[in-house]
Amino acid sequence: QKEVEQDPGPLSVPEGAIVSLNCTYSNSAFQYFMWYRQYSRKGPELLMYTYSSGNKEDGRFTAQVDKSSKYISLFIRDSQPSDSATYLCAMVGNSNYQLIWGAGTKLIIKP
Amino acid sequence: GAVVSQHPSWVICKSGTSVKIECRSLDFQATTMFWYRQFPKQSLMLMATSNEGSKATYEQGVEKDKFLINHASLTLSTLTVTSAHPEDSSFYICSAEGTSGLHNEQFFGPGTRLTVL
Repeated sequence: QKEVEQDPGPLSVPEGAIVSLNCTYSNSAFQYFMWYRQYSRKGPELLMYTYSSGNKEDGRFTAQVDKSSKYISLFIRDSQPSDSATYLCAMVGNSNYQLIWGAGTKLIIKP
Repeated sequence: GAVVSQHPSWVICKSGTSVKIECRSLDFQATTMFWYRQFPKQSLMLMATSNEGSKATYEQGVEKDKFLINHASLTLSTLTVTSAHPEDSSFYICSAEGTSGLHNEQFFGPGTRLTVL
């Protein structure tokens, strides 16, 4: 079993819809949770960075962490075609700095 | 799924020495590998694109003589930081491009933390 599971998609939704992207993990030592957005042929861009359980909002983006269920989500409100990209989750434990990556979900927003 | 490993995971070295970081695709062949650098809580900055059997393509502002990249096989790329200085201290992440179905997918390594004293 992988340490981090993420559905690779593609996930296709109409413009304006609320998008929900998710990752599950098995290692309870993970303490830091990140969401990256990667456009084709570009480096991943850090979108959100969270530490504790709960919600964190930044504009149209909300990151949610549920440590008891080992489940994290990224919600995108009022989705736009420019949001079409691959979204990767990544996690870090307290004892080391290595990133454990999800597979990335390819998101397509249809105009 | 595809797995990418990096070695070492953490290295501390003295200023002026050279450090080699390995990136391996464990269960697939990767004709293209990418090297990134990340500062704390920041996005990954692409340093170079490495194609097996040919010279790496460096991004603007990245010194190719300082960051030597070798992609000698379809499963291994190395990044050598030559004459490392404290400002080179960073988190270096590689990724390998594999082929899955109709899509080229990128798989990321866990990163190597370099600390230059």
